[in-house]
Amino acid sequence: SAVISQKPSRDICQRGTSLTIQCQVDSQVTMMFWYRQQPGQSLTLIATANQGSEATYESGFVIDKFPISRPNLTFSTLTVSNMSPEDSSIYLCSVRLGGNQPQHFGDGTRLSIL
Amino acid sequence: SQQGEEDPQALSIQEGENATMNCSYKTSINNLQWYRQNSGRGLVHLILIRSNEREKHSGRLRVTLDTSKKSSSLLITASRAADTASYFCATDASAAGNKLTFGGGTRVLVKP
Repeated sequence: SAVISQKPSRDICQRGTSLTIQCQVDSQVTMMFWYRQQPGQSLTLIATANQGSEATYESGFVIDKFPISRPNLTFSTLTVSNMSPEDSSIYLCSVRLGGNQPQHFGDGTRLSIL
Repeated sequence: SQQGEEDPQALSIQEGENATMNCSYKTSINNLQWYRQNSGRGLVHLILIRSNEREKHSGRLRVTLDTSKKSSSLLITASRAADTASYFCATDASAAGNKLTFGGGTRVLVKP
């Protein structure tokens, strides 16, 4: 399995500001993903972070709102831009080591926007 | 829309009892994975069951998969207060681009 370190673990932000979340993995992984979990809800995939190219976004998520970087095979960032109270969620980084392998998650970033 | 639907949405049991939750899905899958989430923290991976497998065990956990019915179940035997958590199933399907799609989750409360 992979050890995933995500930070910050939580933050309280003012509306209109942006926050960058970091995800560090202890091994090189091909597949890295970002999810959002709104209060009391299940997980929704935001995007697949591709190393060396632009992220692939799911329907309903756009790069301007959630820019993602993936400079190498062990690190990625997700920025939540121009935040509003509706962005209050847990954001989770996730990796998969191979095709039919378990997918592992970081501890998440709990974000509250005032 | 979510691939997996779980039931029940919530489950309350006494310590020592068994807890069973079910997951149904719509398309053919490569595998199905079960996760635990404690109090809004990250997800802990419990078990992965591949489409050609019917049952897997891990400690007090037992997972079954019925691909003809497109359903899976997670059984927690001899539950403990520490098993109190939300449990999610997630499917890995080629039709979804091999990206995990999560069910709505089951909130389990184990009373001491």
